[in-house]
Amino acid sequence: DIVMTQSPDSLAASLGERATITCKSSQSVLSSSNNKNHLAWYQQKPGQPPKLLIYWASTRESGVPDRFSGSGSGTDFTLTISSLQAEDVAVYYCQQYYSLPLTFGGGTKVEIK
Amino acid sequence: EVQLLESGGGLVQPGGSLRLSCAASGFTFSSYAMNWVRQAPGKGLEWVSSIHGSSGITYYGDSVKGRITISRDNSKNTLYLEMNSLRADDTAVYYCAKATSDSSGWGLIDYWGQGTLVTVSS
Repeated sequence: DIVMTQSPDSLAASLGERATITCKSSQSVLSSSNNKNHLAWYQQKPGQPPKLLIYWASTRESGVPDRFSGSGSGTDFTLTISSLQAEDVAVYYCQQYYSLPLTFGGGTKVEIK
Repeated sequence: EVQLLESGGGLVQPGGSLRLSCAASGFTFSSYAMNWVRQAPGKGLEWVSSIHGSSGITYYGDSVKGRITISRDNSKNTLYLEMNSLRADDTAVYYCAKATSDSSGWGLIDYWGQGTLVTVSS
């Protein structure tokens, strides 16, 4: 199984500040068949289901604000919120879809300082 | 607009059974793999099971294998999860989730239902 490890577990930043979450996979999720990283990021607000933000490690889902960006390759990935807004308070999860079982990181709770 | 509406959750005793349903609309249901993902209270996300859209090939997580059966009725645009021999650690919100495809990268989920709560307790 591919283990996804996120850090930090939680972070608090001021409005307008940059927030960065890292995700490390126990093995590469870069596919040689399509040269893409099978890594997604989701946002989950309290009482709601997760929402897809980023896929293929760096492609923003339609309608997602451009303050959200994803980067990385192989085993190391980052989700960056360039200017934290009040509505970004949520738990963020990374997920690999390279192989079964599909696995998620433990989540990072983002709060406003 | 994609909609996924789960039903069938509730309180069940340990060792009991439950059948979850997910009514899908807003997309060509048979063209997409579908998934069940669960979330224990206050915990993270755990993949449970997946089923391909056209072939019906199924996959299960180790924690539920042998106790859970995923199925779909493409004529009714409905996904199912039959759960048997339920244990306390199966207590969770169960989400029905649509994949972005039925082939390459099919494990990527783009839509989630609101979830249905399954509580296993005596």
